[in-house]
Amino acid sequence: EPEVTQTPSHQVTQMGQEVILRCVPISNHLYFYWYRQILGQKVEFLVSFYNNEISEKSEIFDDQFSVERPDGSNFTLKIRSTKLEDSAMYFCASRSGTLSYGYTFGSGTRLTVV
Amino acid sequence: GDSVTQMEGPVTLSEEAFLTINCTYTATGYPSLFWYVQYPGEGLQLLLKATKADDKGSNKGFEATYRKETTSFHLEKGSVQVSDSAVYFCALSGGDRGSNYKLTFGKGTLLTVNP
Repeated sequence: EPEVTQTPSHQVTQMGQEVILRCVPISNHLYFYWYRQILGQKVEFLVSFYNNEISEKSEIFDDQFSVERPDGSNFTLKIRSTKLEDSAMYFCASRSGTLSYGYTFGSGTRLTVV
Repeated sequence: GDSVTQMEGPVTLSEEAFLTINCTYTATGYPSLFWYVQYPGEGLQLLLKATKADDKGSNKGFEATYRKETTSFHLEKGSVQVSDSAVYFCALSGGDRGSNYKLTFGKGTLLTVNP
């Protein structure tokens, strides 16, 4: 069964450093998403990406965040200058053009900012 | 905007007990509804879904029926197992046509099943 792959599974970084979280969505999917889950809290939408551009972003997704799909397979989330409150599990998801097939999530990257 | 309210728990049951996790939603349009499960240390897995009113989603003994009249999508299982211990998230998508079909999640319900 096709999978969404995320790397790394766990990253520890110092406050103020830049991090890049990587995702390889399912190859024939068209829509790509990043979500985050702060420990013990709900899963929150960050950004959606379609046709090589951001289609929607949440209030959380401020100027410190950016996304790219540099080579047609990878989908990256960059945090420019990490803060302690960025510590969370970050999930990548993708879906085909048909909503009824649902979304496929990766296993997540646990980001710890110290 | 869209929102999902689910029973927060935690819920603790004995093996073979009946499970219900309540989920209600608010949406401006006609959303698709989902239940996702997160096992300890793992990511989100789609458990079941329903895309229109009166649809019943089912998987692994779990069921949920899309009730438009009560705006609900309650998760049920007749006989839980220890291996069902996980966090369960109710979610919707597509209620707001301008939302690019992002998922809106409830807060999650931790289920613990004891032998």
